Amino acid sequence: SQTIHQWPATLVQPVGSPLSLECTVEGTSNPNLYWYRQAAGRGLQLLFYSVGIGQISSEVPQNLSASRPQDRQFILSSKKLLLSDSGFYLCAWRLSSPLHFGNGTRLTVT
Amino acid sequence: SQQGEEDPQALSIQEGENATMNCSYKTSINNLQWYRQNSGRGLVHLILIRSNEREKHSGRLRVTLDTSKKSSSLLITASRAADTASYFCATRFPYSGSRLTFGEGTQLTVNP
Repeated sequence: SQTIHQWPATLVQPVGSPLSLECTVEGTSNPNLYWYRQAAGRGLQLLFYSVGIGQISSEVPQNLSASRPQDRQFILSSKKLLLSDSGFYLCAWRLSSPLHFGNGTRLTVT
Repeated sequence: SQQGEEDPQALSIQEGENATMNCSYKTSINNLQWYRQNSGRGLVHLILIRSNEREKHSGRLRVTLDTSKKSSSLLITASRAADTASYFCATRFPYSGSRLTFGEGTQLTVNP
């Protein structure tokens, strides 16, 4: 069966520090991969999605970047975090509908 | 904005009552999906309804879709305390490729 792993679960980082969040999927091949951000009590904002290795689509201009070095690995990065980068980051995958989500990373930038 | 908008934003009911949440959107869609999110966790898919369908059932869930009104509703019958969660609708628009757009969600509290 397919599973998705996302880590870490929580992260506290100072402003200006780098960020790397990792997501891996098991049990499937060539999935579409997604990074969403969720502000407290709000809906999900799509940040990046990927339909294949090295193929990244960015939805909003921002301080973040994404990479897909392997078929089932999706990484969210930042060189210098801003206070506004705080939020709940969710990785998801799909082959067709629906989306399957990881348990998220709670990022607090201080 | 194309994204779905749920109402109400928050709903508090007693166990055993039915809960109805609504979602409206602005442009034509390929399908509409409902997801559930427990506090601090990822979202879990509940049900998908295609644009040519009007109603779908899954256990205690009933989803309707009215494309003429660009709206959908999620009904949870005989609610339980364990149904307490946030519920989101998500829409996939034609020519949107792999993108799924989420609404702001309805926070449902079921009191025992």
